[in-house]
Amino acid sequence: EAQLVESGGGLVQPGGSLRLSCVASGFIFKSYDMHWVRQITGKGLEWLSGIPVAGDPHYPGSVKGRFTISRENGENSLYLQIRNLRGGDTAVYYCVRRSGNSGAFDIWGQGTTVIVSS
Amino acid sequence: QSVLTQPPSTSGTPGQTVTISCSGSSSNIGGNNHVYWYQQLPGTAPKLLIYRNNQRPSGVPDRFSGSKSGTSGSLAISGLRSEDEADYYCATWDDRRSAWVFGGGTKLAVL
Repeated sequence: EAQLVESGGGLVQPGGSLRLSCVASGFIFKSYDMHWVRQITGKGLEWLSGIPVAGDPHYPGSVKGRFTISRENGENSLYLQIRNLRGGDTAVYYCVRRSGNSGAFDIWGQGTTVIVSS
Repeated sequence: QSVLTQPPSTSGTPGQTVTISCSGSSSNIGGNNHVYWYQQLPGTAPKLLIYRNNQRPSGVPDRFSGSKSGTSGSLAISGLRSEDEADYYCATWDDRRSAWVFGGGTKLAVL
C-alpha cells in the first residue's frame, strides 16, 4: 500500500528555519512527481511546491525564495526547507504524490504541524 | 481569497442529492484544465474523490460524480449518507499563475 509519512514539524520562533521530511513506501518513489500542500487550521488547502521526476522544482509566486523542495530518490524521501518563518506559516503540511496517469494528488501523508510562535 | 470559488457550506438530509459548485476562470478551469475533487473527513488528510473532471478512483462509490462546463466544475453526491459529512475541495492547474489552485472548500452537513 502506498504511504507517505511526514516529520519535522514543531514549534519554531519567527524568523527561524525548518526542514520537513517525508518518507515514501509501497510505490516506486523515483517515478512520481511529488508536492507539498499546507492547510492553516480551519482554512483551505494551499499548494506550496512540486518537484518532478526529472527537471526543476516549481513554486507559486507567494512562496518563491523562502521555500525549497528537494528529493532524495535513493532514500525515498522528500524534503521542504522553509526559511524566515512567519506566523502565517503556522499550518499542517502535507506531503503529496501526484499520479502521472490521473494527474491527481492521489496519495496524501497524514501531515506534520508547524507552529510559528515566540 | 481562493482562486476557485466554492460555497462555504451546504447541507442535505439522508438520501438527498447535493451539488457543490467550483467556479474558476479562463486561466484555469476554462483553459482546458481538469477539475479534481478531494474529500476531507474531520481530523484527517484530504482524499482524492474525482479526477479529470468526472473520473472516480477505485473504491469511491458511484454516488459521487463530477462534471465540468466552461469555467466551472461541480460535484454531485446522491443518496446522501451521514458519513459524507466532510469538507470538499476542488482543484485545478492555473496557467496564468503557473500553480495548482484550490477552492476554499465546502463544508457538507448531513442533517
